[in-house]
Amino acid sequence: ETGVTQSPTHLIKTRGQQVTLRCSSQSGHNTVSWYQQALGQGPQFIFQYYREEENGRGNFPPRFSGLQFPNYSSELNVNALELDDSALYLCASSLAGGEETQYFGPGTRLLVL
Amino acid sequence: AQRVTQPEKLLSVFKGAPVELKCNYSYSGSPELFWYVQYSRQRLQLLLRHISRESIKGFTADLNKGETSFHLKKPFAQEEDSAMYYCALSPKAAGNKLTFGGGTRVLVKP
Repeated sequence: ETGVTQSPTHLIKTRGQQVTLRCSSQSGHNTVSWYQQALGQGPQFIFQYYREEENGRGNFPPRFSGLQFPNYSSELNVNALELDDSALYLCASSLAGGEETQYFGPGTRLLVL
Repeated sequence: AQRVTQPEKLLSVFKGAPVELKCNYSYSGSPELFWYVQYSRQRLQLLLRHISRESIKGFTADLNKGETSFHLKKPFAQEEDSAMYYCALSPKAAGNKLTFGGGTRVLVKP
């Protein structure tokens, strides 16, 4: 059984650019949640995808958007990057619309200059 | 809106001593509470959730709705318990959209 994977592991962007982060869910999991973790803080919920539909969203602006594909992998897109978007981005996969245990990936570290 | 507070950023204890990590929450509805742990160079993983009432690696946590707390306890800390611990809350039956606290770093000294 393959665990949750994320790519890239880290990247550097400049303010105003756009970025796409990717997440492959654990085998058989149909739900993916994305979190932003700023340095020294706990993760913050961005949104969740269940069976290719957005299934809840946290307090993040519309320039944070996502997709889930038929194989349940997912993308997080951030437009018009700001310095404060610098963070570790975590995805977590689970079964049953998120009701079961979430398994986290290793994260993508984004630095915005 | 929900909120989770972990008042201690760092807890340092000696091996064999008891350890208690505090977690307080605010939420008007019926919550589900979790403890997540992140060991050095490992990914975030679930330690325990209140509905399962399990003891994992000797840790227990009791949900106190009156005090809105979910403190994590272990009677005898081990060096391998050194890690970052996060308390988290989700509205019940809402697909575990987690609100995390700021985390507590536990250092168990030999």
